Amino acid sequence: DAGVIQSPRHEVTEMGQEVTLRCKPISGHNSLFWYRQTMMRGLELLIYFNNNVPIDDSGMPEDRFSAKMPNASFSTLKIQPSEPRDSAVYFCASRGLADTQYFGPGTRLTVL
Amino acid sequence: GENVEQHPSTLSVQEGDSAVIKCTYSDSASNYFPWYKQELGKRPQLIIDIRSNVGEKKDQRIAVTLNKTAKHFSLHITETQPEDSAVYFCAASKRNTGNQFYFGTGTSLTVIP
Repeated sequence: DAGVIQSPRHEVTEMGQEVTLRCKPISGHNSLFWYRQTMMRGLELLIYFNNNVPIDDSGMPEDRFSAKMPNASFSTLKIQPSEPRDSAVYFCASRGLADTQYFGPGTRLTVL
Repeated sequence: GENVEQHPSTLSVQEGDSAVIKCTYSDSASNYFPWYKQELGKRPQLIIDIRSNVGEKKDQRIAVTLNKTAKHFSLHITETQPEDSAVYFCAASKRNTGNQFYFGTGTSLTVIP
């Protein structure tokens, strides 16, 4: 099992640009979570999906953030336009029937 | 919703000593409590978990205890080693794939050689 896969691992962009982060959950897992981690705010849940349907997006900071899950094996988190305060590590995680949530390696985003 | 509080935020111990990290939760319906370890620059990784039908679980030098009445659970690390230095997160959830995890704010553990 390859685990949760995220791409890119690092992203450096300029303010105002669109950023798309990608996630492939563990095969067979039907819950997917997007988190943001910063020193100041810790680990924040942005949005999560069950069976490809968004369940709770109350953690999405503002309308510049959007997430989709078009099928069971792929999800995207998009920031448009990006701002320097969006700089963080973004984790994707998935959860199956065995209770445990598994994290991907994360995407380190830097917005200049 | 659920609220998880974690203490202390930082902890320093001498190598070989024990470390204890404590968490409380507010929702009595929560029944699954995992602990994650995050090393610098790495992803959070599950190190141990406990379900509400047991009061204690051990895995080598790591143990977790759960007090459902008081709504608190703790992580115990014995015979600490420098490689135990990391940030530890507790979480609470309801069993069932469709439920989110509520994470504590993390404890930065430093083991001094």
